[in-house]
Formats: sequence, structure tokens, C-alpha cells
Amino acid sequence: NAGVTQTPKFQVLKTGQSMTLQCAQDMNHEYMSWYRQDPGMGLRLIHYSVGAGITDQGEVPNGYNVSRSTTEDFPLRLLSAAPSQTSVYFCASSNPPKRGGSEQYFGPGTRLTVT
Amino acid sequence: RKEVEQDPGPFNVPEGATVAFNCTYSNSASQSFFWYRQDCRKEPKLLMSVYSSGNEDGRFTAQLNRASQYISLLIRDSKLSDSATYLCVVIISGYSTLTFGKGTMLLVSP
Repeated sequence: NAGVTQTPKFQVLKTGQSMTLQCAQDMNHEYMSWYRQDPGMGLRLIHYSVGAGITDQGEVPNGYNVSRSTTEDFPLRLLSAAPSQTSVYFCASSNPPKRGGSEQYFGPGTRLTVT
Repeated sequence: RKEVEQDPGPFNVPEGATVAFNCTYSNSASQSFFWYRQDCRKEPKLLMSVYSSGNEDGRFTAQLNRASQYISLLIRDSKLSDSATYLCVVIISGYSTLTFGKGTMLLVSP
């Protein structure tokens, strides 16, 4: 099993550009989520999905879109990049927390810089 | 008040020392608790779950105090390789998401 994979590992964008961060998991997990991690701020939830076709907003959803057309994939789209979106982005998957899902499996992260 | 609070540290300890971190949570409906470990520039990984009766995994002991709404992590005989940030994670009953603390940094020196 590859676990959770994320691409790209690093990305530099100019303000106003759009891009998609890819996330895939091969563990058949229903629950997937996107976090951003900034110094001193900890992990903040952007969007999450409890299954294919179902997504919801987290703590900091503005400027990001997600979709979940398959169980395996959960891409994160930046619509118009801003310097405030410079961060490290982690995708994670697990069994549903509501049903006792405990271990979150994280991808290796995407380091994004917006200039 | 933040839902999950941790002392950011850093905690600087020598090898072999015993060190303990606490994490307080504000929502009394919190039902599941975990400690994650995050190495520098890496993804977080589950260290251990925290059970009501307390649990131990080698040099690591986790405890839950529901009355005072905190969990703790005790590390005995610290190793250089224990240097990392330790994240407290809580699942609130009925919620679909996890709540992360900001983490406590541990630095173990020779």
C-alpha cells in the first residue's frame, strides 16, 4: 500500500494563479481531509469529506474548493492564489471519526509559496 | 478559549530524563483522545490513543483526566530520537472532524 500520496511536494505560484493539489489514498478510507499548517497556528482544517460525493467546510475554507468523485481521490483547488495561502498543506484519510475512526494517515505534504 | 490547548514549549531535556506534557480540552463532549508525533518538516503520525484507564506503550504513558478535562503524555528515559513536536488530538462526540492542538516541542540533548 502506498498510503496517502500528495503531489506536488513543492510549488511556487504567483498571486492570482490557480492550481490543484492532488491527494490519493489506497486504503479504502471513507474520510478524507485537507489541513494547512502555519508556524504557531497548528493544523487547521480546510475541507473534509465523509464519502464520495460528500464534502464540507472546515475551519478555514475560503479560497479553496474540493470535490470527491471517487473514494480514492480528494483534490484541493486554489482558485486565485494569495500570499496568505503560503503554507504547508497536508491531506489525511481515515475511517470516519464519528464512528470511532482514530488513526489519521497523513500524506507527506505540499509546500506552497505564493509570491 | 481554544478547544484544545497545549504549552508550545520547547521543553529542553537531557537524554535519560523524564518529561511530561499536558493538553487541556474545553468541550466536555470530547470522547476520543490521541497523541500524534510530528518530526520537523514531516507529516504527523499517530503515537498513541489515550484510554480512560490510562495506557502505556514502552517508555510512553498516556492518561486522561475527564474531571479536569486534560490528557497527559509522559516520556521516560528520553532519547535523542524523541525530539519532535507532540500534538494533542480530540474527537468531539457527534462531530465528523478532529481537533488538533498546536503542539508541544520537545528537544532532547546529549
